[in-house]
Amino acid sequence: DGGITQSPKYLFRKEGQNVTLSCEQNLNHDAMYWYRQDPGQGLRLIYYSQIVNDFQKGDIAEGYSVSREKKESFPLTVTSAQKNPTAFYLCASSLLDRGHSYGYTFGSGTRLTVV
Amino acid sequence: GQSLEQPSEVTAVEGAIVQINCTYQTSGFYGLSWYQQHDGGAPTFLSYNALDGLEETGRFSSFLSRSDSYGYLLLQELQMKDSASYFCAVRERGSQGNLIFGKGTKLSVKP
Repeated sequence: DGGITQSPKYLFRKEGQNVTLSCEQNLNHDAMYWYRQDPGQGLRLIYYSQIVNDFQKGDIAEGYSVSREKKESFPLTVTSAQKNPTAFYLCASSLLDRGHSYGYTFGSGTRLTVV
Repeated sequence: GQSLEQPSEVTAVEGAIVQINCTYQTSGFYGLSWYQQHDGGAPTFLSYNALDGLEETGRFSSFLSRSDSYGYLLLQELQMKDSASYFCAVRERGSQGNLIFGKGTKLSVKP
């Protein structure tokens, strides 16, 4: 079955460490996205990528980095520069039509906690 | 900039009908979507309206009025499993079609 897989489901990070969250999709979707969700908040866009080897900053990119070396994969690194990284991170993918995305398919999320 | 407003919480009883409203302000507009998210889970796509009017999918319907910058999600014959958060999202021209999400409405269905 096609889908989008995020790992790990839970992740604990010490202060000052970088951590990388994995996101893989086998839907042959063009675009991939990373969102951050805090309690009682909507989804805020961190980074997105519409084609391989290209990505764009979203609304809250500071302290995060991404890569898109393969169409299927869009890992997110939470760096030590991110001052408040504890959150629920969601990866999504979508098809593009003339550069515009349609319905998103989301992964099951990674809950990151700083200890 | 863009903004979406939706109620933070709604409570209803099993079997009832509930309407979740969403108003938006965008510099351009390309469509309104609705997503459902159960606690700790992934958001799942429910519906998409690009044109004015009502779209029906089973117990769920979604409505859009572009002239009023307003839409709603209508849930009929509520079931306990409908307890979840519901997000409206807009596709905005000039944003490469990315979705902008509201803060979500937490729906609690009581017996």
